[in-house]
Amino acid sequence: GIQVEQSPPDLILQEGANSTLRCNFSDSVNNLQWFHQNPWGQLINLFYIPSGTKQNGRLSATTVATERYSLLYISSSQTTDSGVYFCAVGYGQNFVFGPGTRLSVLP
Amino acid sequence: EPEVTQTPSHQVTQMGQEVILRCVPISNHLYFYWYRQILGQKVEFLVSFYNNEISEKSEIFDDQFSVERPDGSNFTLKIRSTKLEDSAMYFCASSGKRARSEPQHFGDGTRLSIL
Repeated sequence: GIQVEQSPPDLILQEGANSTLRCNFSDSVNNLQWFHQNPWGQLINLFYIPSGTKQNGRLSATTVATERYSLLYISSSQTTDSGVYFCAVGYGQNFVFGPGTRLSVLP
Repeated sequence: EPEVTQTPSHQVTQMGQEVILRCVPISNHLYFYWYRQILGQKVEFLVSFYNNEISEKSEIFDDQFSVERPDGSNFTLKIRSTKLEDSAMYFCASSGKRARSEPQHFGDGTRLSIL
C-alpha cells in the first residue's frame, strides 16, 4: 500500500519563528489534507490540497503531486500552534495518515 | 459550517462488553468512515461505507467490528466483546459526492477506554 512519511518527527520552536513541515508519499493520490491535532485530541482540518498552493492566515501549503510531496509552512508561530501535524493522502476510499510532526512552540 | 458530531466524547467499558459509538455525518454527505488512533500513534483507517454497505475495510476491521446506518442520519460503529487493545480514540468522518477527490470532514472523536 501507499507509504506516507513526514519530517521532521519533532520540532521545537521559539514563539515567532517560522517552520516548514514536509510530507512525502509513495504513489499517486487524488486527495491530500493537512490536519492539526490539538492537545484535546481533536483533528482540525487545515488544508485540502491535492495540488497547488493555498494560504490561510499564517499557514500556507504547497503540494507538488508529480513529485509526491507536500509542504506546510507556519509563519510567526504561536504557542497555540503546538500539537501534532498530520498529512493524510487519499487513494481509493480510504485515507492513509502519516506518522505526524510534533511541534512545540515555546513562549 | 456543518459538522460531524460524535457521541459520547468518552466511553469507559469493561473488557468483554459490547460498545456502540455513534456519529452524525454532515447531512448531504454520501461517504462515511471510521478511523482509530491508539494513544501516541498515528490515525489508522478502519472502514468506509457507501450506499448502505461497506466499500472498503482494513485488516484491523475484523469480525469483532461492524458498522450500520440505522436511520438515515446516524452512523454507528459496534465493537463486540471488547479487548484491552481496543482502547483508543475513534474518529468518524464523512465526505460528499465523490470520495476519491473530496475532503473528509472529521468529528471530534470518542475516547474509548477498556478496563
